[in-house]
Amino acid sequence: DTAVSQTPKYLVTQMGNDKSIKCEQNLGHDTMYWYKQDSKKFLKIMFSYNNKELIINETVPNRFSPKSPDKAHLNLHINSLELGDSAVYFCASSQEVASTGELFFGEGSRLTVL
Amino acid sequence: GEDVEQSLFLSVREGDSSVINCTYTDSSSTYLYWYKQEPGAGLQLLTYIFSNMDMKQDQRLTVLLNKKDKHLSLRIADTQTGDSAIYFCAERISGGYNKLIFGAGTRLAVHP
Repeated sequence: DTAVSQTPKYLVTQMGNDKSIKCEQNLGHDTMYWYKQDSKKFLKIMFSYNNKELIINETVPNRFSPKSPDKAHLNLHINSLELGDSAVYFCASSQEVASTGELFFGEGSRLTVL
Repeated sequence: GEDVEQSLFLSVREGDSSVINCTYTDSSSTYLYWYKQEPGAGLQLLTYIFSNMDMKQDQRLTVLLNKKDKHLSLRIADTQTGDSAIYFCAERISGGYNKLIFGAGTRLAVHP
């Protein structure tokens, strides 16, 4: 069983479109994250949710809207896609309390905006 | 500020030791981590060290932590071609919620 799974794995779309990436974790963790990895492999945190509550919101354009329907799911919706949004988006999860804080990552969703 | 720095490339011969270095900024970090990313895959935790430790060894991996200099290193003994990957250092920011800041990653190339 995949611990953190993301769909789709690849996404190619035109500028201006709206797209969503979905993430699910079956580890029973209470915290989930979205990270963006650019072409230089630099990994930057975007959002974090703890028990469906937004707790970390880095400087991200408001075209990006995360949604957590329950603590096992965290989706990312992106409006009006731009060329600069092309990247690999990683979902991750962790246990917030009484843990080492390590993140468990999904395989990534590669978004290409044409 | 929150910043983690690593050198970008390292090339070693198969069988030699690899040492990947990292510096971080939050002196109150509780945990520091090393993650490995293979091509087309997500990041996988290799090892972590708690801030009250100086060293941690796990089979071929040795982590050294110098809190005074805020320096972390990962040594891989007997490096194999399968170790070729990108290695990310990360620190857990103190206070508030669990937040990991990653370095830019060190690309390790192992050649025969």
